[in-house]
Amino acid sequence: KQEVTQIPAALSVPEGENLVLNCSFTDSAIYNLQWFRQDPGKGLTSLLLIQSSQREQTSGRLNASLDKSSGRSTLYIAASQPGDSATYLCAVKIDYTGANSKLTFGKGITLSVRP
Amino acid sequence: DAGITQSPRHKVTETGTPVTLRCHQTENHRYMYWYRQDPGHGLRLIHYSYGVKDTDKGEVSDGYSVSRSKTEDFLLTLESATSSQTSVYFCAISESRLAGALNEQFFGPGTRLTVL
Repeated sequence: KQEVTQIPAALSVPEGENLVLNCSFTDSAIYNLQWFRQDPGKGLTSLLLIQSSQREQTSGRLNASLDKSSGRSTLYIAASQPGDSATYLCAVKIDYTGANSKLTFGKGITLSVRP
Repeated sequence: DAGITQSPRHKVTETGTPVTLRCHQTENHRYMYWYRQDPGHGLRLIHYSYGVKDTDKGEVSDGYSVSRSKTEDFLLTLESATSSQTSVYFCAISESRLAGALNEQFFGPGTRLTVL
């Protein structure tokens, strides 16, 4: 059974710092991995998606990497801002059809960026 | 943003009453999902659908049923609500049609359900 872990559960950093959020998964046979952002009381916003054949994806100040063999992904946030404060979740998909098309989620990392 | 709406957005109900949550999409995506989000558990799949009238169970399906009579609508029903079903419910969609395609999953805004 696929399990996804995100440690630590919470992180507080000063504004301007570059930071890395970690995600690990137990079964390396994944189809893709998605990083989401969730603001308090809100839904999930997809940030980046990495296919299993890719090593990284970039969007603005965000860069996500994937190392399937070691079961790890990282989300790099450059020059953090108070507006980046949110919970960040990673999720993996095993296949593109059937029950394995569901996402298995980590419990998230709650990030606080101090002004 | 993907065109996904959920209704109602908030609901308070009493134990033993039936409740139906609605998810509506305008993207014509094949797959639709219902997840629940609880502190300490994260998001977990309740049921999913891979086409009109085609549904299957997820990992926490007990006490829930679903129906999909049209591509755009996916209904989640709690036949007799219990306090343990107090949660935030999210609908998601994915095309999931082609191997090698992105098959990105998009989420709705959520429904906060409280069962007293």
